[in-house]
Amino acid sequence: AQSVAQPEDQVNVAEGNPLTVKCTYSVSGNPYLFWYVQYPNRGLQFLLKYITGDNLVKGSYGFEAEFNKSQTSFHLKKPSALVSDSALYFCAVRDRSSNTGKLIFGQGTTLQVKP
Amino acid sequence: KAGVTQTPRYLIKTRGQQVTLSCSPISGHRSVSWYQQTPGQGLQFLFEYFSETQRNKGNFPGRFSGRQFSNSRSEMNVSTLELGDSALYLCASTETDRNYGYTFGSGTRLTVV
Repeated sequence: AQSVAQPEDQVNVAEGNPLTVKCTYSVSGNPYLFWYVQYPNRGLQFLLKYITGDNLVKGSYGFEAEFNKSQTSFHLKKPSALVSDSALYFCAVRDRSSNTGKLIFGQGTTLQVKP
Repeated sequence: KAGVTQTPRYLIKTRGQQVTLSCSPISGHRSVSWYQQTPGQGLQFLFEYFSETQRNKGNFPGRFSGRQFSNSRSEMNVSTLELGDSALYLCASTETDRNYGYTFGSGTRLTVV
């Protein structure tokens, strides 16, 4: 069965410091991987995706993620955190062999950036 | 380009009632998916429609149903509401099978009392 794990419920980081939000996945084949961010009382905003090619993916707002096939991980990173990055972050996977758009989401990680 | 529009934004219903939520995808997007978000269960896939056909369904009871119209607008219906149906319901649209970008709406917050 497909699954996504975000091992940390919350990540705390000081403004200006680098941040990492972890994600590992389990799928039967090669995955499509996504990161979304959610602000209070809002929908999900797309940050970045890995489809194929370079393992380092750059996305919106200075975020990037590295696809590591051997470790089945897709950690989200940013070199310098901003207070405005504080939000709920979701990692998601779609089975490449599937003909549908179903996304499997992790439980989410709350990022708290302190001034 | 207008985003994904979900209506209404907030809804309060009584147990036993039924509710219909609406989702208008981005113009040109033919695939619409629905998700339920709760604090306990997180984001769970409800169903996906493509060109008016249900292509996939999540593990929800038959009280949850949906449909898609010829203009790609989609509705989901929940009958005989239960307290546990209180959630944020999110709709996402994408252009075609080859476009892997999913755009989400702001959601409908349903409260069942």
